[in-house]
Amino acid sequence: QVQLVQSGAEVKKPGASVKVSCKASGYTFTGYSIYWVRQARQAPGQGLEWMGWINPNSGDTNYAQKFQGRVTMTRDTSISTAYMELSRLRSDDTAVYYCARGPTYSSGPFDYWGQGTLVTVSS
Amino acid sequence: DIQMTQSPSSLSASVGDRITITCRASQSIRSYLNWYQQKPGKAPKLLIYAASSLQSGVPSRFSGSGSGTDFTLTISSLQPEDFATYYCQQSDSIPWTFGQGTKVEIK
Repeated sequence: QVQLVQSGAEVKKPGASVKVSCKASGYTFTGYSIYWVRQARQAPGQGLEWMGWINPNSGDTNYAQKFQGRVTMTRDTSISTAYMELSRLRSDDTAVYYCARGPTYSSGPFDYWGQGTLVTVSS
Repeated sequence: DIQMTQSPSSLSASVGDRITITCRASQSIRSYLNWYQQKPGKAPKLLIYAASSLQSGVPSRFSGSGSGTDFTLTISSLQPEDFATYYCQQSDSIPWTFGQGTKVEIK
């Protein structure tokens, strides 16, 4: 069965960087893109925010403008794992970060999600 | 960016009720509209894709409709496990954007 398993919770100081991993299993890793979505924790029902995606086959990436210059998405096909690194962390980056599987060549949904990784930014 | 607006933001309903959630896009997104269900502490789960296609394994009491800018998610007979927050998401234009969510609570 398809699974995306993410790395554990992180606590970081403002200005630091965090790198979250997402290990895929149960399907051909290079056949789908990995998307990253975050959900802030400051208020109940905080919405979902798309950060970008990586095509594991080519390594091509596409980042949301809001995160350009601060986010880097990479992958290691030998271990079917994608990574999202966010730098120059601020307190408002405190959120649960999700990876999700989605199509590479069409405008489709995110059909499988990781369990989420809580990143807390605090001095 | 395409803005997605859901209504209502929350609703109270009873088991067995029929409920409808609306999602409106700020411009046409054709049929590139997906619905997700999220329970506390869990990742979102895909329910409906391409406006009206039921994801494999999702009960048939869930249905979606619409195209262009106006979409609906309907639960025909609310079950105890359906109390959750529901999000719409457009996959027509980058950046992909989500609605703010509709929390379905027990009356």
